[in-house]
Amino acid sequence: EAQVTQNPRYLITVTGKKLTVTCSQNMNHEYMSWYRQDPGLGLRQIYYSMNVEVTDKGDVPEGYKVSRKEKRNFPLILESPSPNQTSLYFCASRLIGTSGSYEQYFGPGTRLTVT
Amino acid sequence: GDSVTQMEGPVTLSEEAFLTINCTYTATGYPSLFWYVQYPGEGLQLLLKATKADDKGSNKGFEATYRKETTSFHLEKGSVQVSDSAVYFCALTQNRDDKIIFGKGTRLHILP
Repeated sequence: EAQVTQNPRYLITVTGKKLTVTCSQNMNHEYMSWYRQDPGLGLRQIYYSMNVEVTDKGDVPEGYKVSRKEKRNFPLILESPSPNQTSLYFCASRLIGTSGSYEQYFGPGTRLTVT
Repeated sequence: GDSVTQMEGPVTLSEEAFLTINCTYTATGYPSLFWYVQYPGEGLQLLLKATKADDKGSNKGFEATYRKETTSFHLEKGSVQVSDSAVYFCALTQNRDDKIIFGKGTRLHILP
């Protein structure tokens, strides 16, 4: 089954304690992306990657890191989480093409609470 | 820059009512347009899409027509069900940079 998986689904942590949210896709997609979803703000892109070893900042990259060492995996790293990073996070992937019409596939989400 | 504007929610309707969720966009050229749906506790999933002017996307009884003259892609359904309760996102992508731009989402509540 084609899917994007994220782990963990729920995480409660304390300020400053480094954490990693994993993301994996089994569709051989070149493009992967991380979003955060907050009430009233919709989806905001954090980082994206067009292929292995190629990553770029999205709209809200501050306080986050990513890596793309393998095509299928795109972990999100919070080196020193703060309460304003409490949010619902989604990983997504899709093909890249000249038409721009490819569907984006989303993971189930990770609800992060930083106290 | 490119942008997507959709009507604010929540939208509350009774079962079997007619649904319209408005979406307009600002973009140069000919973007592809999408509607994604997010059911409670889940990630977003594609509902329908249209890739050129006058195209109509349809799925699960929902429809949206790409109107270049009014830069709109309004989502419609003739008779909604309780199971349609979700958040709906309008989005666009441009050929030139592959970036996807989302609207802020519209929450829909359907009452039995």
